[in-house]
Amino acid sequence: DGGITQSPKYLFRKEGQNVTLSCEQNLNHDAMYWYRQDPGQGLRLIYYSQIVNDFQKGDIAEGYSVSREKKESFPLTVTSAQKNPTAFYLCASSIVGQKRTEAFFGQGTRLTVV
Amino acid sequence: DAKTTQPNSMESNEEEPVHLPCNHSTISGTDYIHWYRQLPSQGPEYVIHGLTSNVNNRMASLAIAEDRKSSTLILHRATLRDAAVYYCILRHNSGGGADGLTFGKGTHLIIQP
Repeated sequence: DGGITQSPKYLFRKEGQNVTLSCEQNLNHDAMYWYRQDPGQGLRLIYYSQIVNDFQKGDIAEGYSVSREKKESFPLTVTSAQKNPTAFYLCASSIVGQKRTEAFFGQGTRLTVV
Repeated sequence: DAKTTQPNSMESNEEEPVHLPCNHSTISGTDYIHWYRQLPSQGPEYVIHGLTSNVNNRMASLAIAEDRKSSTLILHRATLRDAAVYYCILRHNSGGGADGLTFGKGTHLIIQP
């Protein structure tokens, strides 16, 4: 079945450590996105990518980094520079330039920094 | 970027219709209106989208105002499983390719049994 997979579902890290969240899709989508969601809040865009080896900052990119070495994969690294990293992280993908098509989301990774 | 405005929360009774409003007064002529919903602790899922005409699918209906400055998502017969946060977003192009796919806070729909 085609879809988008995030792993792990739950992640615990110590303060000051970098951590990488995985996002893989087999939908052959060019565009991929990372969002952060805090309790009771909407989704805020961190980074997005429309093609391999290219990505753009979203609204809250500070303290995060991404790579796009393969079409299927768009990992997000939460660095020690992110002041409040505990949140629910969501990855999505869609067809580029097709505003009439929907985006597909993963089930999210809940990161807790202690 | 074109923005959307939705009520923070709405409440309805089970098996009754629900009308979820969305204002998008700065919409451009080529922006599509999309609706997603998010169940607790899950990723959002696509519900419906439209450009100018009203749209129906198995999940819901989308009514778009003639001037396109507002739209309404209609759940014809709400069930408890429809309790979720509903997001209205505009899909627009940023630069030459992927759009930013920006979400607001959405409407928290509460369904009473």
